[in-house]
Amino acid sequence: KNEVEQSPQNLTAQEGEFITINCSYSVGISALHWLQQHPGGGIVSLFMLSSGKKKHGRLIATINIQEKHSSLHITASHPRDSAVYICAVINDKLIFGTGTRLQVFP
Amino acid sequence: SQTIHQWPATLVQPVGSPLSLECTVEGTSNPNLYWYRQAAGRGLQLLFYSVGIGQISSEVPQNLSASRPQDRQFILSSKKLLLSDSGFYLCAWGPYGYTFGSGTRLTVV
Repeated sequence: KNEVEQSPQNLTAQEGEFITINCSYSVGISALHWLQQHPGGGIVSLFMLSSGKKKHGRLIATINIQEKHSSLHITASHPRDSAVYICAVINDKLIFGTGTRLQVFP
Repeated sequence: SQTIHQWPATLVQPVGSPLSLECTVEGTSNPNLYWYRQAAGRGLQLLFYSVGIGQISSEVPQNLSASRPQDRQFILSSKKLLLSDSGFYLCAWGPYGYTFGSGTRLTVV
């Protein structure tokens, strides 16, 4: 069993839909990253959080340390949001989830 | 602010050829540096990490090696590439708020 599990693995949505991607982990962490990987491969860090909630534009990330769970929400999704979203936890090193492939159709 | 440069972005190499991927960091000193690889359909897996010049720890046995000749430079190398070395390679620095390079997609043909 992976130390970081994401769900769903694949997600399709219509433009405008509200999207939730979940991340559960089994190790103690100091913080958690949400990353975005576009088809060309480049990775962008969206959030790093260790408690509570962070918001940037249409993206919201939450984390519950007691439940070892984090969610990434996208409001009013758009085709340009199509990418792979990766959860990574900071233990003594980074441990990555396998990612969620999101496709948003117009 | 800290930035990390990784190149090239894409690379196609024949089996048996050598490899050198470079990662450099700006805006910080004595960072921990990491090389990760993402094989097709898999999550990113830690290959090497370094806590200082000349200090390299390997997480998984493989056909690759890493070196840290300068404080802010981390190099991933191979003497002879295998088909199984194909994948997406990512450099990162940490541990206090990780920063990521843009990655290198390597295809071994």
